[in-house]
Amino acid sequence: AQSVTQLGSHVSVSEGALVLLRCNYSSSVPPYLFWYVQYPNQGLQLLLKYTSAATLVKGINGFEAEFKKSETSFHLTKPSAHMSDAAEYFCAVNSGGYQKVTFGIGTKLQVIP
Amino acid sequence: DAGVIQSPRHEVTEMGQEVTLRCKPISGHDYLFWYRQTMMRGLELLIYFNNNVPIDDSGMPEDRFSAKMPNASFSTLKIQPSEPRDSAVYFCASSGDRYAYEQYFGPGTRLTVT
Repeated sequence: AQSVTQLGSHVSVSEGALVLLRCNYSSSVPPYLFWYVQYPNQGLQLLLKYTSAATLVKGINGFEAEFKKSETSFHLTKPSAHMSDAAEYFCAVNSGGYQKVTFGIGTKLQVIP
Repeated sequence: DAGVIQSPRHEVTEMGQEVTLRCKPISGHDYLFWYRQTMMRGLELLIYFNNNVPIDDSGMPEDRFSAKMPNASFSTLKIQPSEPRDSAVYFCASSGDRYAYEQYFGPGTRLTVT
């Protein structure tokens, strides 16, 4: 079975501050991990993905995430928040060699000017 | 590429009516997914297809829901009869990357059943 837990359904940061969105996963086999972003009234868009290559993954818009097997974590970070980063972020996991992906409940990021 | 196309973008219907949502996946993608998103339950996978064949429909809520994929470029999700609790945003996504499982989402259909 596979699952993800996103800690904090709402996160607020000041513009220019560090963004940290937390995700822990559960998987019986080495997983593939993803972060997606959803802007209001839009579909989900892939930010970055981990597929068992480098543990530090860089994505679009200055985001990155680090896969830590010992902590079963895949936290999303960005050094400096921008107003345009305000959106909902979803962590997702895939394991087992088939296409079914399990999404977390999402974290809404608010950026305060 | 135009991306995943969904229609309609908004649908308002009365309880008991039939609703049909449509999706055109990205050309060349051989996986298609239907999701439902609500505030209470988040993003739920309803069903997915591989090469037009349904692989896993365990997320379909009940017999009122049905999905078809008659060819590689078109899929429908039908609700008959519709109920107010079906109100949600329905997303279609497609994937063509067998080993990286990256999914491309459409803009969604916002369904309101009154």
